[in-house]
Parts: sequence; structure tokens; C-alpha cells
Amino acid sequence: EAGVAQSPRYKIIEKRQSVAFWCNPISGHATLYWYQQILGQGPKLLIQFQNNGVVDDSQLPKDRFSAERLKGVDSTLKIQPAKLEDSAVYLCASRGRNYGYTFGSGTRLTVV
Amino acid sequence: QQPVQSPQAVILREGEDAVINCSSSKALYSVHWYRQKHGEAPVFLMILLKGGEQKGHDKISASFNEKKQQSSLYLTASQLSYSGTYFCGTERPGYSTLTFGKGTMLLVSP
Repeated sequence: EAGVAQSPRYKIIEKRQSVAFWCNPISGHATLYWYQQILGQGPKLLIQFQNNGVVDDSQLPKDRFSAERLKGVDSTLKIQPAKLEDSAVYLCASRGRNYGYTFGSGTRLTVV
Repeated sequence: QQPVQSPQAVILREGEDAVINCSSSKALYSVHWYRQKHGEAPVFLMILLKGGEQKGHDKISASFNEKKQQSSLYLTASQLSYSGTYFCGTERPGYSTLTFGKGTMLLVSP
């Protein structure tokens, strides 16, 4: 089966600019997650969707981060305005029948 | 709450064995194990559901002690391809999200 698709692969922006990341999960996977991974650390959950509804966004910095999953398929994560500490890899994952997560290749964001 | 992994790093020679531990202060429903190579996404290795089961994946196996909220990953006769950072992810009852540990870096040398 096709994997989880993410784009762009890399992004460099200046602080206070905005940026958006896109994710297309594995076909048929109802659950989609966005994780933030800072260099040298484990992934940290930002938001979980079940179909097109938000299940858990308790760790999403809602003053600057937003996410949506229209029609229960693709998802977009946005940061506006970006801060230096937002530099990280943003990972999208979907969950299948074996209950393991399949991660996309991620978007490496550098805020300068 | 983030699970605690130990050790932080392991250096092995090809063919040696290693054990990576993961412990939580909260009651768990399941434990996942992932391996991440530099610059790549984490790759799912296995999931252990509460019940004390042990699973295997080639020469990599794991156990889950639900009474102690601990899981261990066993790498037997390590190969160069085993190098990477190993993460445990814990899932609490009633939740369907994973909280990941800080990772254990494993380096296998020839």
C-alpha cells in the first residue's frame, strides 16, 4: 500500500512568517496525527483527528497553530506567526488495522 | 506523562545483544516500539497489548509487564542495520494517542 505522503520536505522561513504543511494518509485510515519532533527528542503529539473531527488537540499551541482535515482525508497544519522555537520536523501519521502508526517522511522546518 | 527509556545510548559490535527498557508511571493499555534512522521517519516495529505478551520480529522481540508498566525491547545477534534511535510509545486506557520517550540511540559497529 502507498505510504503517508507529506509536503513540502523542507521549509525555511523567517520568524513571524506563516507556513503550511500538507499530509495525505494511507487510504482508509480514519485516524490521523500530527507530531512535532525537535532534534534529539521523541515525537510530541500536536493533534489527533478521527475522520474529520478533532479528538485531541490539548497540546496544540492554538494561538499560533491550526489544523484541519477536510472530508476526512487530507490534512493541513498551519503555523502563523512562526517562532524560532518552532524549528522542528513535523510528522504526520495514520493508524491502521495492526494499530501501529505509519509515519510520513516529515517536513523539516527551519525558522530563522 | 512521558515514559522513561534506558539506557540513553548503546554501542555494540555486530552479533552482540542489547536490551532497551521503557517505563511509565501511568497505567498502560499498550506499548509500541519504533526505530528511526537519521533523517528518516520512525518505523513501526511492534505493539504489545496489556496481558504480558511477548512478541517477536525477526531477531527483535519485546515484552510488556503491565503490573510494573514496563516494557523491554530485546535485540539479539545485532546487525549493522539495527543502528538507529529506538522509541517506545505508550498508550493509556481510554486514549488513542501515543506518548513517546526520549529515545535510545543504538550504534552497531562491524
